[in-house]
Amino acid sequence: NAGVTQTPKFQVLKTGQSMTLQCAQDMNHNSMYWYRQDPGMGLRLIYYSASEGTTDKGEVPNGYNVSRLNKREFSLRLESAAPSQTSVYFCASNLPVGQGSYEQYFGPGTRLTVT
Amino acid sequence: QKEVEQNSGPLSVPEGAIASLNCTYSDRGSQSFFWYRQYSGKSPELIMFIYSNGDKEDGRFTAQLNKASQYVSLLIRDSQPSDSATYLCAVLGGWGGGADGLTFGKGTHLIIQP
Repeated sequence: NAGVTQTPKFQVLKTGQSMTLQCAQDMNHNSMYWYRQDPGMGLRLIYYSASEGTTDKGEVPNGYNVSRLNKREFSLRLESAAPSQTSVYFCASNLPVGQGSYEQYFGPGTRLTVT
Repeated sequence: QKEVEQNSGPLSVPEGAIASLNCTYSDRGSQSFFWYRQYSGKSPELIMFIYSNGDKEDGRFTAQLNKASQYVSLLIRDSQPSDSATYLCAVLGGWGGGADGLTFGKGTHLIIQP
């Protein structure tokens, strides 16, 4: 049981390049999320997916696209990277724990630098 | 949109003392609240969640919730140097679409002094 996995762990891009961040979970969770974390800004929700085939925008979706390929996988794509997208990206999935509450499990993160 | 406020710190506490971390939130309808610990360069790790007014204890950690005041706190008793980390307060939900993402505060950097 690997939990939530992300690839790559580190990436350097030049402005204008594209890339896809991969995320997979083996816990059979329905909901998956992408967050970004910037110094002094906390974590901010980019996109989320309540179930296979559905995706919705979070707080900071501009410049990103997502795909929920199947129940396990949720990818984040940067079509034309900008320096403002330099950040640490975390994927997460959640587990209902009763009483209307959930636990969110986070992947190890992808540290992206755009030059 | 929900907002979650935390003092960024650093909060410096002597080893063995009680560390008190505070958080306020804007949406009076919020139901579930979480505390995460994050070490530098690592992903957030869930410490506690709370959804009822009052206190919830788990080992050295106590979460306190006051919905009338829209206030959540985390107490760490017998603080250890290994507790030095950034503590993130988060509120569940409000994003619609059937999923419940978290809205995070910016975190409080806690330093436990040996």
